[in-house]
Amino acid sequence: AQKITQTQPGMFVQEKEAVTLDCTYDTSDQSYGLFWYKQPSSGEMIFLIYQGSYDEQNATEGRYSLNFQKARKSANLVISASQLGDSAMYFCAMRVGTGGFKTIFGAGTRLFVKA
Amino acid sequence: GAVVSQHPSRVICKSGTSVKIECRSLDFQATTMFWYRQFPKQSLMLMATSNEGSKATYEQGVEKDKFLINHASLTLSTLTVTSAHPEDSSFYICSARSEQASNEQFFGPGTRLTVL
Repeated sequence: AQKITQTQPGMFVQEKEAVTLDCTYDTSDQSYGLFWYKQPSSGEMIFLIYQGSYDEQNATEGRYSLNFQKARKSANLVISASQLGDSAMYFCAMRVGTGGFKTIFGAGTRLFVKA
Repeated sequence: GAVVSQHPSRVICKSGTSVKIECRSLDFQATTMFWYRQFPKQSLMLMATSNEGSKATYEQGVEKDKFLINHASLTLSTLTVTSAHPEDSSFYICSARSEQASNEQFFGPGTRLTVL
C-alpha cells in the first residue's frame, strides 16, 4: 500500500529558530517523488521542495531543506530561521506510478511560529 | 511558474442543484489534471484523475455519477457535483500536470463549495 504519514498534528517554533516537520512514506515503487507543500489559511497549495527517489543529495530550496533517508523511508522538512509568515499547514506528498502517476498527501502538520 | 486557475472561487448552492467547477491551465497544456477534495482541517484526498479526451479515473469510494469530470481540451477540466447535498460541502482543489516542466504538478487556488 502507498501511504504518507505525518505524525505531528501541530508544531510550535520560536521565530528565527529551525524546525523539523516529520514525514514517513510507504511504497513498493522504486521510482517515486517526494514533495512538501505549504497551505496558508487562504487555501492555495504552495510548492516548497522536491526530492526524487534516485537523488543522492538532499534537496534544498532557500530556507527549506529535505532530510531524505531512503532506508528509513523518511523525508523530513527542515525550515531554518523561521519567520512569522511560515505559520501555515504543511503537507508531505508522494508521487507514485510511472506514466499515469498520481500524488497522495499526508495528513498535514500545522506550524505555529511564535514572535 | 505555471498557473492554474479555478472558477468559481466560492459557490453556495441549494441542496439538489448541480454545480460546475472549472480548472484551467493558463500558460501550459495539461493532458492530465487531478481533482482533490479537502475537508476542514484535513488533508487533500484525490478524487479522480482527468485525462484529456478520455474518461476520468476515479479513486475508490468516489461516485463517478455524482462527480462528473470532463477534460474536453488540453487546458480545461470541469468537475460537476450533481444533485449536491450538504455533505458535499468542501474545498475542491484541482491540479494540472505540466509535461513541459518535467511532469511537475501545479495547483489551482481551490473552490469552496457550500451546499445549503
